[in-house]
Amino acid sequence: DSGVTQTPKHLITATGQRVTLRCSPRSGDLSVYWYQQSLDQGLQFLIQYYNGEERAKGNILERFSAQQFPDLHSELNLSSLELGDSALYFCASSGSGVGSNQPQHFGDGTRLSIL
Amino acid sequence: KNQVEQSPQSLIILEGKNCTLQCNYTVSPFSNLRWYKQDTGRGPVSLTIMTFSENTKSNGRYTATLDADTKQSSLHITASQLSDSASYICVVSARSSASKIIFGSGTRLSIRP
Repeated sequence: DSGVTQTPKHLITATGQRVTLRCSPRSGDLSVYWYQQSLDQGLQFLIQYYNGEERAKGNILERFSAQQFPDLHSELNLSSLELGDSALYFCASSGSGVGSNQPQHFGDGTRLSIL
Repeated sequence: KNQVEQSPQSLIILEGKNCTLQCNYTVSPFSNLRWYKQDTGRGPVSLTIMTFSENTKSNGRYTATLDADTKQSSLHITASQLSDSASYICVVSARSSASKIIFGSGTRLSIRP
C-alpha cells in the first residue's frame, strides 16, 4: 500500500461530459503529481502541485485542470471529454523537500472510460 | 528531442535466472533517472532513483546502473521470481524543470516456472 488514495477507481461517462478525479496524498507529502497512461501513448506527466501551488506543467490539455486544496488533497478536472481521453489516470505524491529527486509514491489510479 | 527508449520491448525468462533491461535517453539537462515496476492494473512502484553522480544503486535483487556519458542505464534482476513478472519503466527527469519527466514505453517481463 503506497498510502496514496485515488477515487473513484472506475468511471464511465460519455463524450462531452465533465468529470473530477480525486487524490489524497501520503500523510506528510506536499507534492502531488498527475499522470495519464493510455494504451497508445504510455505514461505521460500532466501537472505537479506543491503545497497548493502549481509547480510544473507537462502534456496537459487545456480542457484539463487541477488544483490542490489546503488539506493537500488534489483534484483533476477533465471537461469536454473525448474518446481519446479514455485512460488510466494516476496520482503520485512525494515528500516535503523541494526538487525532483524525491521518490514518488503512486496510487492505483482511476480508470476512465468514455463511451 | 527528449526521448527515453527501452529494450527489449518484452522478455520471457525462467524462474531463477537473471536478466538485464536497457534504457537509453536523450533528455537534457539530466536530473535523475528512475526505474519503476508496474504490475498490471496497479500504480508504478519506485525501484531506484539515480542522479548524475551515481553509477550504481541496488534495491534487493534489483541493481540499476547509470552511465551519464553514454546516456545509458540498465536494470539487472538477479535470481528472478514469479512475482517479478511486470512492466519495468525507465523515467528520466530534466534538471530544474519538472515539466520534463519523460517515460520510456517499458519492458514487459514474464517469468516462467
